[in-house]
Amino acid sequence: NAGVTQTPKFRVLKTGQSMTLLCAQDMNHEYMYWYRQDPGMGLRLIHYSVGEGTTAKGEVPDGYNVSRLKKQNFLLGLESAAPSQTSVYFCASRTYPGTSERDTQYFGPGTRLTVL
Amino acid sequence: SQQGEEDPQALSIQEGENATMNCSYKTSINNLQWYRQNSGRGLVHLILIRSNEREKHSGRLRVTLDTSKKSSSLLITASRAADTASYFCATVDRGSTLGRLYFGRGTQLTVWP
Repeated sequence: NAGVTQTPKFRVLKTGQSMTLLCAQDMNHEYMYWYRQDPGMGLRLIHYSVGEGTTAKGEVPDGYNVSRLKKQNFLLGLESAAPSQTSVYFCASRTYPGTSERDTQYFGPGTRLTVL
Repeated sequence: SQQGEEDPQALSIQEGENATMNCSYKTSINNLQWYRQNSGRGLVHLILIRSNEREKHSGRLRVTLDTSKKSSSLLITASRAADTASYFCATVDRGSTLGRLYFGRGTQLTVWP
């Protein structure tokens, strides 16, 4: 099992450009999450999904959109990148509530994004 | 907004010593978790303690939870250089079905050989 994978690992954008970050998990998890991590900060939730075809806003959703067309994939889009979106982005997944591991999240390795 | 606050922000010790990190939180929780993040990597789940538990062990890790004080501690015994990493506590609110995690800012642990 690869677990949670993210592509790309690094990206540099100019202000106003768009891009999509891809997260994939092979654990058949229902829930998926996108976080951002800024220096000296913990992780903040951007958007999340509780199943295929569903998404919802987290703590800091402005400037981002997401889609979950397939259960194993969760895409994070930046339509018009801004310098304030320079950050490290992490994807995570977890299994369906009710199992013994229901609250453990599994994280990808991260995408380091710089917006100039 | 962030829920947990770790203390200290940074900790530097020698190999073989014990490392203790503390976490305080604000709300009623279902559980509290500790994650480790090596430099440039994703977070790795270490241990989960539920609100009705007071202490939990996993290998060299010992976690305590005091819900009356809304605090937790993570003890790493006989530390190794490989334990050098950032450690984050994260909480899940009581009654949450989404399992949303609220993270603190982390403790940077450096273990010198």
